[in-house]
Amino acid sequence: EAQVTQNPRYLITVTGKKLTVTCSQNMNHEYMSWYRQDPGLGLRQIYYSMNVEVTDKGDVPEGYKVSRKEKRNFPLILESPSPNQTSLYFCASSLWGGGNQPQHFGDGTRLSIL
Amino acid sequence: AQTVTQSQPEMSVQEAETVTLSCTYDTSESDYYLFWYKQPPSRQMILVIRQEAYKQQNATENRFSVNFQKAAKSFSLKISDSQLGDAAMYFCAYRSARGNNRLAFGKGNQVVVIP
Repeated sequence: EAQVTQNPRYLITVTGKKLTVTCSQNMNHEYMSWYRQDPGLGLRQIYYSMNVEVTDKGDVPEGYKVSRKEKRNFPLILESPSPNQTSLYFCASSLWGGGNQPQHFGDGTRLSIL
Repeated sequence: AQTVTQSQPEMSVQEAETVTLSCTYDTSESDYYLFWYKQPPSRQMILVIRQEAYKQQNATENRFSVNFQKAAKSFSLKISDSQLGDAAMYFCAYRSARGNNRLAFGKGNQVVVIP
């Protein structure tokens, strides 16, 4: 089954404790992206990757890191999480960085930073 | 950066009736794509419908259709014969035909379906 898999689905942690949210897709997509969703703000892009070893900042990159060493994986790293990073996070992928094909979303990761 | 505006944070509709969600966007580009995504309580983001700006014909997917007005920069979603399963948050999204494939989202419309 074609899918984007995020882990964990839920995480409660404390300020300053490094964490990684994994994202993996099995569709051989070139493009991957991370979004955060906050009430009243919709979804905002954090980082994106057009292909392996190619990443760039989105609208709200502060406090986050990403890497794209393999095509299928695009982890989101919070080196020193803070309470304002409490949010719902989505990973998405699409075949390539253009055209009209839709982005396929993972099921989301609910992060709570205390 | 492009902005997408969705007014009417919450809309109610009787089962089997029709509801229309409005979306406007701001862009100076002529080539772009527009999407409506549905987010039910399960939190999944599900593509409902998409529209290419170069196409004049409005997209339709079963009970879902759009009214795309390029000059007015308007992209409304009509849900016909509403069903209980249509209850969800609906997001309008814009993507340029150039650049980073970034989806610019509106803030969402909550649709409540009344039995």
